[in-house]
Amino acid sequence: AQSVTQLGSHVSVSEGALVLLRCNYSSSVPPYLFWYVQYPNQGLQLLLKYTSAATLVKGINGFEAEFKKSETSFHLTKPSAHMRDAAEYFCAVSEEDSNYQLIWGAGTKLIIKP
Amino acid sequence: KAGVTQTPRYLIKTRGQQVTLSCSPISGHRSVSWYQQTPGQGLQFLFEYFSETQRNKGNFPGRFSGRQFSNSRSEMNVSTLELGDSALYLCASSLRPSGVGSTDTQYFGPGTRLTVL
Repeated sequence: AQSVTQLGSHVSVSEGALVLLRCNYSSSVPPYLFWYVQYPNQGLQLLLKYTSAATLVKGINGFEAEFKKSETSFHLTKPSAHMRDAAEYFCAVSEEDSNYQLIWGAGTKLIIKP
Repeated sequence: KAGVTQTPRYLIKTRGQQVTLSCSPISGHRSVSWYQQTPGQGLQFLFEYFSETQRNKGNFPGRFSGRQFSNSRSEMNVSTLELGDSALYLCASSLRPSGVGSTDTQYFGPGTRLTVL
C-alpha cells in the first residue's frame, strides 16, 4: 500500500539557517508528489508539486524540493529560514493505486528560533 | 477570485446528533474533495465529487455522506455523531477531478472545526 513518511514531527531551526524537511514515499511507479503548508487555524496551501517533469521543483516562498527516485524521497528545503515560515508542512503523494487521491504524511511542525 | 469558503467555521454538537457542512468552491472549479484532519489520524480523504457525481470515496463508515449541487457547491453530512468525529473538516476544490494526467492544484478552504461532546 502507498504510504508517506515524514521524518520528525517537529523540526527546529534558527532564523537564517537552512530548512530541511524530509519526505519518503512508497510507490511502485513514479507518483505525483506535493508539499503543502498549513498555518495555524487555516487550510492548506500548495508550496510545490512534482509531476514527472524536472526533478528539482521550485515553489513559493523560496522553497524547493528534489525528487530522487533511487531514494524514494522528496525532501523540502529552503536556504534561509524566516520567522514567517513557522507552520506545519505536509508531504502528499498520488498515483494510480490510490485513484490519484492524495495520501498524506503525518506532517512536520517547523519551529523557527529567533 | 474568491477562495474556497466553508460554513460554518465552528460547530459544537452532541453524540447522536447529525451535522451538515457546506463548501463553496472557487468559481469555475467543478471538483470538490473533502478531508478529515485529526491529531491522531492526520489528514484522511473522505470523498471527491465532480459534476454532481461521487468519483472516489475514502475508508469511512456510511455515516459520512456528501453531495454536490449543479453549481458545484458541496455538502457533507455526518449522522449519529460519535466523539471520534471531532475534527477539522477541510474542503478543497480544483478545476478537474483527480486522475491520470491531472495534477490540478487543490485549493483548500479554512475548514470547519467540529467538536462532538
